[in-house]
Amino acid sequence: EAGVAQSPRYKIIEKRQSVAFWCNPISGHATLYWYQQILGQGPKLLIQFQNNGVVDDSQLPKDRFSAERLKGVDSTLKIQPAKLEDSAVYLCASSDNNEQFFGPGTRLTVL
Amino acid sequence: AQSVTQPDIHITVSEGASLELRCNYSYGATPYLFWYVQSPGQGLQLLLKYFSGDTLVQGIKGFEAEFKRSQSSFNLRKPSVHWSDAAEYFCAVAFSGSARQLTFGSGTQLTVLP
Repeated sequence: EAGVAQSPRYKIIEKRQSVAFWCNPISGHATLYWYQQILGQGPKLLIQFQNNGVVDDSQLPKDRFSAERLKGVDSTLKIQPAKLEDSAVYLCASSDNNEQFFGPGTRLTVL
Repeated sequence: AQSVTQPDIHITVSEGASLELRCNYSYGATPYLFWYVQSPGQGLQLLLKYFSGDTLVQGIKGFEAEFKRSQSSFNLRKPSVHWSDAAEYFCAVAFSGSARQLTFGSGTQLTVLP
């Protein structure tokens, strides 16, 4: 079974630029999550999708972050404009309701 | 609000020694508990989980954890550590029997000496 795929693996941008991350969950998983993991901390949930609907985006900084999952499969997380404090690893996970399976993450560096 | 505390930021053990990583949670009811491991450049891998039943749970790679309700703890143990166990370990809790809404601790970095 293929795991959760994420791209790119690494991204370096300057502050005020925009960036997008892509996630392809495990086939058949209805629930998809985006997490932000700042260096030295545990992952923090940004947004949760059930199929193509948002279940919880209460911790998503909506003034600069957006996410979509248009067809209930792939998802994109965007940051526009980026700030220095957005430097982190962005993890995508999908769930079969028993366990969350994580992708390798995208490491974002904002200069 | 629920919270998870991993009091040890960094632990160093010798290969072959036993290991215990601590995890405490704050939550009004019995949470659903998880331990994940993260190697450099890798995503999180589930080691074990506790939903209900036997409070001693076995996981992959020879790890086990014990849920102690009276201490609000879910400590991870391994009787003999291998060099390949060097990684960061995260304890997490969830609201329900599903894997939804995980709240993670800040992690414990494990170094294994030869």
